Amino acid sequence: EAGVTQSPTHLIKTRGQQATLRCSPISGHTSVYWYQQALGLGLQFLLWYDEGEERNRGNFPPRFSGRQFPNYSSELNVNALELEDSALYLCASSLTIAGSYEQYFGPGTRLTVT
Amino acid sequence: AQSVSQHNHHVILSEAASLELGCNYSYGGTVNLFWYVQYPGQHLQLLLKYFSGDPLVKGIKGFEAEFIKSKFSFNLRKPSVQWSDTAEYFCAVNHGSSNTGKLIFGQGTTLQVKP
Repeated sequence: EAGVTQSPTHLIKTRGQQATLRCSPISGHTSVYWYQQALGLGLQFLLWYDEGEERNRGNFPPRFSGRQFPNYSSELNVNALELEDSALYLCASSLTIAGSYEQYFGPGTRLTVT
Repeated sequence: AQSVSQHNHHVILSEAASLELGCNYSYGGTVNLFWYVQYPGQHLQLLLKYFSGDPLVKGIKGFEAEFIKSKFSFNLRKPSVQWSDTAEYFCAVNHGSSNTGKLIFGQGTTLQVKP
């Protein structure tokens, strides 16, 4: 069974640009989660999408946004990039069944803002 | 605010030594608890989980963890570590009564096992 996949592996952008990161969940999983792993800040929850809708959002500014497509894949967009947005962005997926809350993570996209 | 604290940031052990990594969380309600592992060059993998029932849970590769509700703790243990256990270990928590989607992670513990 294929795991969570993310693309691209690495992304280099300059300050002020926009970045788009993509995630494909495990087959059968309908929920997708995004996390940021910045140096010194640990793993922080960004967004949760389920059935095409944003269900919860972490403490990040509105320039972090995303969407979930009908095939349950997801996109994370970061507008007006700032240097501190440089981080590893992890996507996770899970089933959406009561009592089944474990999240399975992808390899991440390393975003570097210069 | 809810938080997860991992007491040891960097642990160095020799092979065959016993391991215990501490994890404490601050949340008064029902919780789901997880330990994830990240081996060098690999992505985060679920090691074990606790939702309810027996507070002693067993995971993959000989790891186990014990949930002690009164201490808000979920410590990870392994009786005899191997060189291949060298990795970063993360404790994580989310709400047990309603799914908010949000996993709160500890800062991580880097385990280095010397052969």
